[in-house]
Parts: sequence; structure tokens; C-alpha cells
Amino acid sequence: LAKTTQPISMDSYEGQEVNITCSHNNIATNDYITWYQQFPSQGPRFIIQGYKTKVTNEVASLFIPADRKSSTLSLPRVSLSDTAVYYCLTGLLSGNTPLVFGKGTRLSVIA
Amino acid sequence: SQTIHQWPATLVQPVGSPLSLECTVEGTSNPNLYWYRQAAGRGLQLLFYSVGIGQISSEVPQNLSASRPQDRQFILSSKKLLLSDSGFYLCAWSGPLNTEAFFGQGTRLTVV
Repeated sequence: LAKTTQPISMDSYEGQEVNITCSHNNIATNDYITWYQQFPSQGPRFIIQGYKTKVTNEVASLFIPADRKSSTLSLPRVSLSDTAVYYCLTGLLSGNTPLVFGKGTRLSVIA
Repeated sequence: SQTIHQWPATLVQPVGSPLSLECTVEGTSNPNLYWYRQAAGRGLQLLFYSVGIGQISSEVPQNLSASRPQDRQFILSSKKLLLSDSGFYLCAWSGPLNTEAFFGQGTRLTVV
């Protein structure tokens, strides 16, 4: 699995757009990029997944540049309830490739 | 729909005692199953991974073992707990392509 690097923590005020960038310089050709959200004392929850360009769902957007060596999770107009740890993962969509989480980014949303 | 059950929610065990945490999945067949551990304020550490009955991959050398006696049952065990085994243990499952993982509610283990 490609190693990922994320900022350890970020702070934001309510109502702002938050962008969390993940570096994955050694991403393989067939690897996908997936983001998870984890609240305290809970398991992570899938947010979004993509391979290239832009993916958007009801929760977030994922921007992936052409070289795919990084990706940016964008959370529009965050609220206090978005305070959580956000993990970026890369890897094959294959049953033989386990899901390995890094340290994640701790987002704190301030009123 | 698929559900994952993990128990107990909290556990306090003395050093040297055995451990058995159980995880079961409903509503799916042949899931990929995972055990993770999360120390306080830290990221998730993958402990064990299974793609089928009796097939266990260990990611980290440790005082723990895992077994998968049935397709949708995953058990984490230890013969003698250490203080360093304290943490938040999470079981998860995913489909054949690992597109998305679904986590249980977790077990907070405190070894005293």
C-alpha cells in the first residue's frame, strides 16, 4: 500500500470550508483513494472514494490531480459535529489487500 | 441489510488473564474481516486480517491471536494480557473488493 501523509491536526470555524490534503507520492496505477471519518469512541465511517479528477457526494468532495500523488478532501460549511479524525487510505480494490489506516488528521471545529 | 456485532463494549482485565473478544457479521457471505487496535489518541493499527475461514494474516507481532471458526465470526484472543494490550479494539468487515469497510462499536479494554 502507498504510504500516505496528512497534517496531524487542523482547526476551523463553523461555516467554513475545510480542505484536508493527503500526500501519496508512491501511489500505484491501480490504487484508489478512500477517506474515512472517525468520531471519538466509534469506528471509522466511509466518506468518499475516488480514482482521479473529482468525486462529490452528499457529505464531501474529493479532488485528485492528474498525477494522483495527492488528494484533497473538501468539507463544505463545517459544523461542530464535523469534529473528528479524518483518514486517507490508498490501495487496490482487492480482497487480498488489507485496509491500512495512517494516523489521520484531527479536525477541530470551533464555534 | 448487513450488521456487525462486537462485544463486550468495555472490559477491565488483570495482567496475565486471558482475553476473548468476539465479532459477528450478519447479512453477508464471505466477508473480509479485520481486527484493529487504537491506543488513546493514536491511529488505527491493523492487527489481523482474514479473507476466509481459517485464513488469518497477522500484521504486527504481538501477544494476541485471531481465529475465524465460521464464515462470519472473528475472534481475538490472548492467553496472558499485558498492560500494553490496553486500547480500543475494533472489528470491521468489507466486501470482496474492500471498497468500503464497516466497523463495529468497539471494545474498550483496560488491563490493570
